[in-house]
Amino acid sequence: DGGITQSPKYLFRKEGQNVTLSCEQNLNHDAMYWYRQDPGQGLRLIYYSQIVNDFQKGDIAEGYSVSREKKESFPLTVTSAQKNPTAFYLCASRMTGDTGGDGYTFGSGTRLTVV
Amino acid sequence: ILNVEQSPQSLHVQEGDSTNFTCSFPSSNFYALHWYRWETAKSPEALFVMTLNGDEKKKGRISATLNTKEGYSYLYIKGSQPEDSATYLCALTQGGSEKLVFGKGTKLTVNP
Repeated sequence: DGGITQSPKYLFRKEGQNVTLSCEQNLNHDAMYWYRQDPGQGLRLIYYSQIVNDFQKGDIAEGYSVSREKKESFPLTVTSAQKNPTAFYLCASRMTGDTGGDGYTFGSGTRLTVV
Repeated sequence: ILNVEQSPQSLHVQEGDSTNFTCSFPSSNFYALHWYRWETAKSPEALFVMTLNGDEKKKGRISATLNTKEGYSYLYIKGSQPEDSATYLCALTQGGSEKLVFGKGTKLTVNP
């Protein structure tokens, strides 16, 4: 079945360490997105990519980095510069050129905890 | 900053009740309005994507309407069931932007 796989489901990181969250899709979607959820807040956009080897900052990109070397993969690195990294991270994808049609497809998320 | 407001924040209803909630957004430069259902421990699931003023969409017992001129959308659930318990998210894209901006959601609990 096609879908988005995020791994790991739970991740613990020591303060000062970088950590990379994986997002893989087999839907042949062009665009991919990373969102962050904090208690009492809506999903906030970190980074997005509409095509391989290109990506743009979202609303809260500071302290994060991404790469898009393959269409299927959009890993997110949470760097030590991110001041409040403990959160729930969601990856999503969609076809570009699609007005929204079926909406975005989401992964099941990664919960990152800094210890 | 683009602001998408959802109300109420949470809602408890009895099985069989019909219910509705609201999403408000800036009416300028509207492109598309999305509704998602997010059940606990699962991925958000797309319910509707609406682009035209006056759009009405339906999926089983769930329906949605859109008013782009006044900047609101309603989501209706007829005859709520316990399996409808979830957080319902509304999200907006504006013309020329790739960003999908989410509201904080309405958490629905349907008691048997």
